[in-house]
Amino acid sequence: GESVGLHLPTLSVQEGDNSIINCAYSNSASDYFIWYKQESGKGPQFIIDIRSNMDKRQGQRVTVLLNKTVKHLSLQIAATQPGDSAVYFCAENRADSSYKLIFGSGTRLLVRP
Amino acid sequence: DGGITQSPKYLFRKEGQNVTLSCEQNLNHDAMYWYRQDPGQGLRLIYYSQIVNDFQKGDIAEGYSVSREKKESFPLTVTSAQKNPTAFYLCASSIRGQLDGTEAFFGQGTRLTVV
Repeated sequence: GESVGLHLPTLSVQEGDNSIINCAYSNSASDYFIWYKQESGKGPQFIIDIRSNMDKRQGQRVTVLLNKTVKHLSLQIAATQPGDSAVYFCAENRADSSYKLIFGSGTRLLVRP
Repeated sequence: DGGITQSPKYLFRKEGQNVTLSCEQNLNHDAMYWYRQDPGQGLRLIYYSQIVNDFQKGDIAEGYSVSREKKESFPLTVTSAQKNPTAFYLCASSIRGQLDGTEAFFGQGTRLTVV
């Protein structure tokens, strides 16, 4: 079936280290992916997106990598800071599915001081 | 400022009662969505609407109803038929019509508790 999921439910990293959050998807028709950050008690915030015709996109301290061969998506956060502690979701959007977002179950990132 | 506003932030409901959660956006977005989030879990789609006066069921629509009479408003009613309504509810909107997909903007959520 269709699914967007995450490998690790919780990731603990030392402040200043790099973080890598992974996401797997099962539908090869997926053509657009988004990473969201959700802090406790708040709505998700857009971080970065990537289209299926790209394999890498960089933002400020964040990089998203897309491997269509193995249907894998990752979010890399450089020099992780305490403010990065949150739950991170990947979401899938396909233009042929009525613009419906499909979310993974999320990964909690904990930053140790 | 442009954005999405959900109200109330906290809502308590007695068993057997219907309650309506408000979602308003001034981003001029065509598409709006309602998601449910349970503790430690991801977002599940309840209903979505691509245009005024039209909406479709998501993955967990049973026990919920919506309306889309205005572009900027997409209220969600949690009916007494919803057996486990305690959850965090998130509303989102997005620009419709971009062939390569689009990001969705989220409200700050409504936490509903059945007492």
